[in-house]
Amino acid sequence: TAGITQAPTSQILAAGRSMTLRCTQDMRHNAMYWYRQDLGLGLRLIHYSNTAGTTGKGEVPDGYSVSRANTDDFPLTLASAVPSQTSVYFCASSDPAGDHNEQFFGPGTRLTVL
Amino acid sequence: GQNIDQPTEMTATEGAIVQINCTYQTSGFNGLFWYQQHAGEAPTFLSYNVLDGLEEKGRFSSFLSRSKGYSYLLLKELQMKDSASYLCAVTDSNYQLIWGAGTKLIIKP
Repeated sequence: TAGITQAPTSQILAAGRSMTLRCTQDMRHNAMYWYRQDLGLGLRLIHYSNTAGTTGKGEVPDGYSVSRANTDDFPLTLASAVPSQTSVYFCASSDPAGDHNEQFFGPGTRLTVL
Repeated sequence: GQNIDQPTEMTATEGAIVQINCTYQTSGFNGLFWYQQHAGEAPTFLSYNVLDGLEEKGRFSSFLSRSKGYSYLLLKELQMKDSASYLCAVTDSNYQLIWGAGTKLIIKP
């Protein structure tokens, strides 16, 4: 079982360039999330989607956009990258109808913006 | 504002017991999670508490006191593989998950 996958594993990006981080899950979870994790800080929610066709803003949405065309995929786009977007990005999914609605995480994408 | 506090780092000895504390101030409460995160890896689910009391799962237990805004994760019979960061997270009134910065646990032989 693949669970939740992310691509690429890591990327170095020039400032001003655009990039899309991919996330796919095969658990048929309705809810999906994008977080960034920076040293000394907790996971911070960028955007989320409660179900296919809907998205919402999290704590730190500026500079990022998402789409949710279907249940499985939840790509995150940086339109014009800046060095402060250097971080590790985690995608997660959950089943709100499940016992605890715990989130399952992908392996992460390490992004460096120069 | 919403806030979750955990110690930044703790050290313990292999075979011993360690307790990692978490205090929270959030707008509402709909459950508390503990996750484990090994260096360079994704967080993985450990435990969930929504009612006061102790939940035991093998070597790991988690306790919750809603009136005190307090939880702890208890790890028994520590093994070297338990060296990781432990993340406390609370579901608020909007069912959003608020994360602590994590506690890095170092296990020494």
